Amino acid sequence: ETGVTQSPTHLIKTRGQQVTLRCSSQSGHNTVSWYQQALGQGPQFIFQYYREEENGRGNFPPRFSGLQFPNYSSELNVNALELDDSALYLCASSALRGAEGYTFGSGTRLTVV
Amino acid sequence: DQQVKQNSPSLSVQEGRISILNCDYTNSMFDYFLWYKKYPAEGPTFLISISSIKDKNEDGRFTVFLNKSAKHLSLHIVPSQPGDSAVYFCAASEDSYGGSQGNLIFGKGTKLSVKP
Repeated sequence: ETGVTQSPTHLIKTRGQQVTLRCSSQSGHNTVSWYQQALGQGPQFIFQYYREEENGRGNFPPRFSGLQFPNYSSELNVNALELDDSALYLCASSALRGAEGYTFGSGTRLTVV
Repeated sequence: DQQVKQNSPSLSVQEGRISILNCDYTNSMFDYFLWYKKYPAEGPTFLISISSIKDKNEDGRFTVFLNKSAKHLSLHIVPSQPGDSAVYFCAASEDSYGGSQGNLIFGKGTKLSVKP
């Protein structure tokens, strides 16, 4: 049973650019949640996808968008990158409705310069 | 405005002793609380949870205590082991299912160091 895989592991982008981060959920999981963890902070909820539909959203602007595919893998897209978008982006998949079943990936470290 | 606060950025404990990690919250609507452990270069791992209808939950060396009137919870690790050295996050949810819509509110974390 493979865990949650995120790619790439590190990324450097220029302010104003667009970025796509990818997450392969654990086998058997149909729900994916994305979190942003800025330096020295706890993870902050961006949104969740359940069966290809957005199921919940945190306090992030519309330039943060996502997709979930039929195989339950997911993408996080961020447009018009800002310096404050520099953070660790974590993906968590689950088969249960509760957060106890979350399996987190190791994250993508995004640096915006 | 932080709804979940972990006021101690770090904690150092001797192996075999008790580690107590604290967490305070401000939102009285929180219904479910979780603790996660995070090693460097890895994602957070679920450790233990507690529902607001309970005041204590135990799992092996880990016990979580909840004081709703004080809006305070704590994680006790007894006995502490060097392998417990990690960052511990407290998280809360308004959802009794513990975040069925994914909206967990995390604290900033406490870095625990257990010295041999």
